[in-house]
Amino acid sequence: SQQGEEDPQALSIQEGENATMNCSYKTSINNLQWYRQNSGRGLVHLILIRSNEREKHSGRLRVTLDTSKKSSSLLITASRAADTASYFCATATYSGAGSYQLTFGKGTKLSVIP
Amino acid sequence: KAGVTQTPRYLIKTRGQQVTLSCSPISGHRSVSWYQQTPGQGLQFLFEYFSETQRNKGNFPGRFSGRQFSNSRSEMNVSTLELGDSALYLCASSLNPGGPETQYFGPGTRLLVL
Repeated sequence: SQQGEEDPQALSIQEGENATMNCSYKTSINNLQWYRQNSGRGLVHLILIRSNEREKHSGRLRVTLDTSKKSSSLLITASRAADTASYFCATATYSGAGSYQLTFGKGTKLSVIP
Repeated sequence: KAGVTQTPRYLIKTRGQQVTLSCSPISGHRSVSWYQQTPGQGLQFLFEYFSETQRNKGNFPGRFSGRQFSNSRSEMNVSTLELGDSALYLCASSLNPGGPETQYFGPGTRLLVL
């Protein structure tokens, strides 16, 4: 079952604009990760934010985490056509026997128009 | 370092057949996870292997099985294929199976069941 739910499902913006995607989840997590997928290919890890962190930056990416609201957001600033992809949040939760499981949302499809 | 590799990249099978997919993790990574991605269900966790042992399993029927070899390479097998098994199968490896760290994904194997 899906743990994270991204919003919106699809987003279309002009190059240079900022893109914001949101993720909500249901249970306690160890960390939350964002991944990018280009057109049916493998996923690429973007950023990981731990449950005790509130904000994290990586280049043009900014991620926030609000554990009280069980939500996270991914901001991509000054978007480029190459940012066109699907973006997934994934929550890491303890699944027993020293193992953690990543559960993915259904993703936000971002289109950046040149 | 070479990334995660998956073979074959594309596969066409007919209902009732079985299929074996292969995944070679990043050198030094000992944990391998498998995911099924479909437009309707999104990314769903199949299973995770570490040191040749299945440590975690998703909610899939017994037709889906896997194994891991001593060199950490992993295979997954689907027996008695159904039309609904058509999907992109993604393999991911990680360095520390005891921690909820980043997973590195391969390009996937696209399976079409006719």
